[in-house]
Amino acid sequence: QSVLTQPPSVSAAPGQKVTISCSGSSSNIGNNYVSWYQQFPGTAPKVLIHDDNKRPSGIPDRFSGSKSGTSATLGITGLHTGDEADYYCATWDSGLNAGEWVFGGGTKLTVL
Amino acid sequence: QVHLVQSGAEVKKPGASVKVSCKASGYTFTGYYIHWVRQAPGQGLEWMAWINPNSGGTNYAQKFQGRVAMTRDTSISTAYMELSRLRSDDTAVYYCARGIYTSGWHFDYWGQGTLVTVSS
Repeated sequence: QSVLTQPPSVSAAPGQKVTISCSGSSSNIGNNYVSWYQQFPGTAPKVLIHDDNKRPSGIPDRFSGSKSGTSATLGITGLHTGDEADYYCATWDSGLNAGEWVFGGGTKLTVL
Repeated sequence: QVHLVQSGAEVKKPGASVKVSCKASGYTFTGYYIHWVRQAPGQGLEWMAWINPNSGGTNYAQKFQGRVAMTRDTSISTAYMELSRLRSDDTAVYYCARGIYTSGWHFDYWGQGTLVTVSS
């Protein structure tokens, strides 16, 4: 079981908007920045959002991040079939051992 | 530009050890932490450890303590992850990733991954 909880799957039609939630606790999301990663089958993850809501250069503004309390959300607007991938949230958890990185279980996005 | 290039796929027997390398280029190797993250077939991402290439300091996930060792060779800008006493459930793709601090930490560049298969 992952420390961070994500829905296993979400789906929406092309052009629509989808949100992916990531729920944690005060030892992780509640007190540390969240990043989001996109992963296509057979490839390495790629950062989409860091520091809760910052986009690296080259990431379109269709992707957004937000956080409230111990939950974070990734939003994707104007969906393309090319957005079909797995999405992971991640953050530092200071309540584990000497501190550890934790990931959500991942959410598979289907663009119908 | 930044690149992390990992060593090739490995097949190991249960109980053996594996050592995976991650060669960095395009930036100052000692200026950024290197993390190791693994992904079992069809599963999610799992953080294993980080190494500070400047000091050699490490931090291991509790799950892997005693079985994993991170080292580096600054002369060739390469980090290593060695996992011992391999079991079948260690079969996974192992990624190295660069840790960067902005307002908080995240992983900005990833290696291509190394498949480690543990099978008798």
